[in-house]
Amino acid sequence: DAKTTQPTSMDCAEGRAANLPCNHSTISGNEYVYWYRQIHSQGPQYIIHGLKNNETNEMASLIITEDRKSSTLILPHATLRDTAVYYCIARTGNQFYFGTGTSLTVIP
Amino acid sequence: DAGVTQSPTHLIKTRGQHVTLRCSPISGHKSVSWYQQVLGQGPQFIFQYYEKEERGRGNFPDRFSARQFPNYSSELNVNALLLGDSALYLCASSFPRTVLQETQYFGPGTRLLVL
Repeated sequence: DAKTTQPTSMDCAEGRAANLPCNHSTISGNEYVYWYRQIHSQGPQYIIHGLKNNETNEMASLIITEDRKSSTLILPHATLRDTAVYYCIARTGNQFYFGTGTSLTVIP
Repeated sequence: DAGVTQSPTHLIKTRGQHVTLRCSPISGHKSVSWYQQVLGQGPQFIFQYYEKEERGRGNFPDRFSARQFPNYSSELNVNALLLGDSALYLCASSFPRTVLQETQYFGPGTRLLVL
């Protein structure tokens, strides 16, 4: 499985867009990129996933570069409830490999 | 619909004891995965079961075992507990559309403390 690298922490002002980057330079052609988040001591929550094309759902947008070596999760209007650890996972087969993620703090 | 449920929510054991953790998947999901999350780290994959067969195993010692029942619920067993087994144990269920595309939905976890 491809390894992913993310910044350790980020801050975002409430109401602004939060852009969380992820590098997955060794990703292979059939590996999906998944994003989850984990609010303190709860189970991880699925956000979005994609393979090649940009994806959008009610929670977020996922932008994947053309070479698929990196992606960005966008929370369009961050709220205090979006404060969490965000994990970018490149997955193939039956395993999800979580790194240490990005701790996003939304500031009032 | 109910999400993934896990029991118990919290557990305290002493070194050397055995523990059994339980998980009920989302209705209609046939696959269950187990993860261990120690403080300050991301979840680490332990096992995945699909249709009662083990489909994957992470880098954990043989003290860790699991099984899946005909109703797709699952148990994780840990023998000879060590202090380092203290962690949040997460269960995730999925209905695999393909091997490559499988969204896992996590339960709230069982927090195990080994003294």
